[in-house]
Amino acid sequence: NAGVMQNPRHLVRRRGQEARLRCSPMKGHSHVYWYRQLPEEGLKFMVYLQKENIIDESGMPKERFSAEFPKEGPSILRIQQVVRGDSAAYFCASSPPNTYNEQFFGPGTRLTVL
Amino acid sequence: GENVEQHPSTLSVQEGDSAVIKCTYSDSASNYFPWYKQELGKGPQLIIDIRSNVGEKKDQRIAVTLNKTAKHFSLHITETQPEDSAVYFCAAGIYNQGGKLIFGQGTELSVKP
Repeated sequence: NAGVMQNPRHLVRRRGQEARLRCSPMKGHSHVYWYRQLPEEGLKFMVYLQKENIIDESGMPKERFSAEFPKEGPSILRIQQVVRGDSAAYFCASSPPNTYNEQFFGPGTRLTVL
Repeated sequence: GENVEQHPSTLSVQEGDSAVIKCTYSDSASNYFPWYKQELGKGPQLIIDIRSNVGEKKDQRIAVTLNKTAKHFSLHITETQPEDSAVYFCAAGIYNQGGKLIFGQGTELSVKP
């Protein structure tokens, strides 16, 4: 059973460009979570999605950031007009439908903004 | 909202010794407490978790204890091995209400051979 998949693993963007991060949950998992990890820090919750629904986006910056989990295809975290402060590791986690909290993480996307 | 504090930030032990990492939480509604191990360049790996209806859980060399009254929980690793070296994170959440986990700041464990 393949784990949570994220791509790309590394992404370099110049200030002002857009970053798109993709996450495919584990098979059978219907809940997706995005977390951000700044250097030398813990993980900070950003958003929780189910198929076609955003359940909790309380950790998402109000501007430039958006997330979706369409009926078909991976979940996407989109960052518009990136700034240097967006440089971080972005992790996606997924959980089965009946045990919401048992979250299994992907390998992460490391975003570097030049 | 929930706040999780984790100590120590770094821990160095000799191979074979025990390691203990402690966390405190602030929200009495939290009832699910997982622990994750993160190796360099990788995603966090769930190693053990505990719900507030039990006080202790063990899985081979690792164990977690929970004191609901004091709002703290701990990870115990016995007979440490060099491959246990990693960053360990505690977290808190509300079981089966979905949603976010609030993470501690992490403990970098170094096991010296």
